[in-house]
Amino acid sequence: GESVGLHLPTLSVQEGDNSIINCAYSNSASDYFIWYKQESGKGPQFIIDIRSNMDKRQGQRVTVLLNKTVKHLSLQIAATQPGDSAVYFCAENSDDSWGKFQFGAGTQVVVTP
Amino acid sequence: NAGVMQNPRHLVRRRGQEARLRCSPMKGHSHVYWYRQLPEEGLKFMVYLQKENIIDESGMPKERFSAEFPKEGPSILRIQQVVRGDSAAYFCASSPPGGSSSYNEQFFGPGTRLTVL
Repeated sequence: GESVGLHLPTLSVQEGDNSIINCAYSNSASDYFIWYKQESGKGPQFIIDIRSNMDKRQGQRVTVLLNKTVKHLSLQIAATQPGDSAVYFCAENSDDSWGKFQFGAGTQVVVTP
Repeated sequence: NAGVMQNPRHLVRRRGQEARLRCSPMKGHSHVYWYRQLPEEGLKFMVYLQKENIIDESGMPKERFSAEFPKEGPSILRIQQVVRGDSAAYFCASSPPGGSSSYNEQFFGPGTRLTVL
């Protein structure tokens, strides 16, 4: 079936370095993607989104890249801080299943001093 | 503007009891979604509701689970005769009215952590 998945389950990053989190998706009909951050014991928090008519979008310290050719999504975090330690999920949605986001398994980001 | 509210935050039930989870969407939001998260896993879609309507329940187990979003009051996820496998975090999300567009950000609540003894 269609699925969304992540390449790396855990990512250790030194404070101040840049982080890159990857996500692969297999539903070619997916046209909207969101990156969420989830801290321990909390609900997912929206970070940034991107539509399929774009290949790059920037926010504050974050950039999302979308490569529709290879069905790949990435989240780049600049100058990673201790507060960035969390699990990061990509989620995808398509018009034929509107409202029903599919989430990847998540990547644990650990920021070390 | 208060965010999505869920209660209780923690719920403990014995096998065979009923669990009721409540979700109040953000002000102005008319779409509610329920997701389940097992430890160290991603969120799994359960159901999508609008006021008094179930839009998509393709992720709901066929038995014991039901959801509603009445005209007045919060959305309720109800689990009858709970079993240990129901232990999980249940998250509610809401979004504003958005027609048929898929570009509709979902805002999540803090979740209810259900433990079945």
